Amino acid sequence: EPEVTQTPSHQVTQMGQEVILRCVPISNHLYFYWYRQILGQKVEFLVSFYNNEISEKSEIFDDQFSVERPDGSNFTLKIRSTKLEDSAMYFCASSRLGSEGGQFFGPGTRLTVL
Amino acid sequence: RKEVEQDPGPFNVPEGATVAFNCTYSNSASQSFFWYRQDCRKEPKLLMSVYSSGNEDGRFTAQLNRASQYISLLIRDSKLSDSATYLCVAISGNTPLVFGKGTRLSVIA
Repeated sequence: EPEVTQTPSHQVTQMGQEVILRCVPISNHLYFYWYRQILGQKVEFLVSFYNNEISEKSEIFDDQFSVERPDGSNFTLKIRSTKLEDSAMYFCASSRLGSEGGQFFGPGTRLTVL
Repeated sequence: RKEVEQDPGPFNVPEGATVAFNCTYSNSASQSFFWYRQDCRKEPKLLMSVYSSGNEDGRFTAQLNRASQYISLLIRDSKLSDSATYLCVAISGNTPLVFGKGTRLSVIA
């Protein structure tokens, strides 16, 4: 069964450093998403991406964040200058039909900012 | 603004028990409904969509009550592996998923 994959599984970085989290969505999916979950809290939406552009973003997704689909398979989330409060689990999700068809999540990248 | 509200639990049930969760949603225009499960420190996994007429998938039954704006999930013959947090989602159109904190279920041997 096809699945969303993410790398790395765990990323440790120093405050102020840039990180890039990578995702490979399910191959025939057209909608891509990033979510994050701070330990002990709920899953929060960051950004959605369709047709090579951001379709929606939350207030969390500020100028420090960017997304890119550099080729036909990868979908990346970049955090330009990490802060301590960026420490969280970051989940990529994809969907064939948009949210109405259900979204499928990757296993996540645990980001630890020291 | 809470899109959905669920009893956080935990629900502690013995193996073989039947357990039901309810979830109320605030947006009456919601059209698509889902149940996800999330194991500790893992990703949410789509358990099932919820259809207007109700639907069943093995031991799991989902129901929608539009008049009262709630969805429910019934788990029959609970297994230890059902222990997880169950998250409901209600969306209108192609909007991002908004999760609550979910309902925690512990199935005990």
